[in-house]
Amino acid sequence: QVELVQSGGGVVQPGGSLRLSCEASGFSLTSYGMDWVRQAPGKGLEWVAFIRHDAVYTPHSDAVKGRFAISRDVAKSTVFLQMDNLDPDDTAVYYCAKRKGTSTTAAWDQWGQGVLVTVSS
Amino acid sequence: DTELTQSPSSLSASVGDRVTITCRASQSIGMYINWYQHKFGKVPKVLISTALNLQSGVPSRFSGSATETSATLTINGVQPEDSATYYCQHTFLAPYSFGQGTKVEIK
Repeated sequence: QVELVQSGGGVVQPGGSLRLSCEASGFSLTSYGMDWVRQAPGKGLEWVAFIRHDAVYTPHSDAVKGRFAISRDVAKSTVFLQMDNLDPDDTAVYYCAKRKGTSTTAAWDQWGQGVLVTVSS
Repeated sequence: DTELTQSPSSLSASVGDRVTITCRASQSIGMYINWYQHKFGKVPKVLISTALNLQSGVPSRFSGSATETSATLTINGVQPEDSATYYCQHTFLAPYSFGQGTKVEIK
C-alpha cells in the first residue's frame, strides 16, 4: 500500500530555515520521481521542485531556486525539502507527491497529507 | 517556460449539466497535460493524465481532450460531489506549472 507521510512544518521567522520530510512506503524512491507542490492561503497550486528517480535531475521553480533544495535518502525512503532564507511569501501548505513512474512527464498519483509552513515574525 | 491559462476561473452548474473547462498553453506541450480535482481540506486527486487517460476509480462522466497547445476537461452530467477546484498542469518540461484553477459550484 502506497503512502506518503509528511513532517516538519511549523512557524519560522523571515530569513530562517526549515526542512520538510516525506516518508514513502509501499514503493521504492529509485523507481519513481517525486515532487513538492505548495498552496499559499487563498491561492492555487504551485509546483516547487522535482527529483527524478535516479536523483540526477532536480529542477526547482524560479520562486525558490537558490533557497530551497530537494533531496532524498533512499535507505530511509524519505524525500526532503530544505528551505533556507524563508520569506513570508513562502507561507503555504506544502505537499509531497509521487509520480506515476520514472518518466519526467508522468502525472502524480499519490500525495502526502500536506504540512503548513508559516513564515512570520 | 510554459504558462497555462485556464478558463473560466469559476462557474456554477446544476446537477446533470455538462461542464467544460479549458486550459491553453503558451507553447506546444504535446499531450502532457494532467487534470486534478482539489476539494477543500483534502489532497488533490488526479482525474486525467496525458490529456486523455481517465485514472482508475474516476467516474466515467469525466473526460479529457487536447491539441498541441490546449486541453479540455469535460464533466458530462455534473454531480453534487463534483464541487471542487479543478487544475490543469503540464509535465512537458520543468517548471511544471499549473493553471490558475476553476472553482466549480453546484447549485
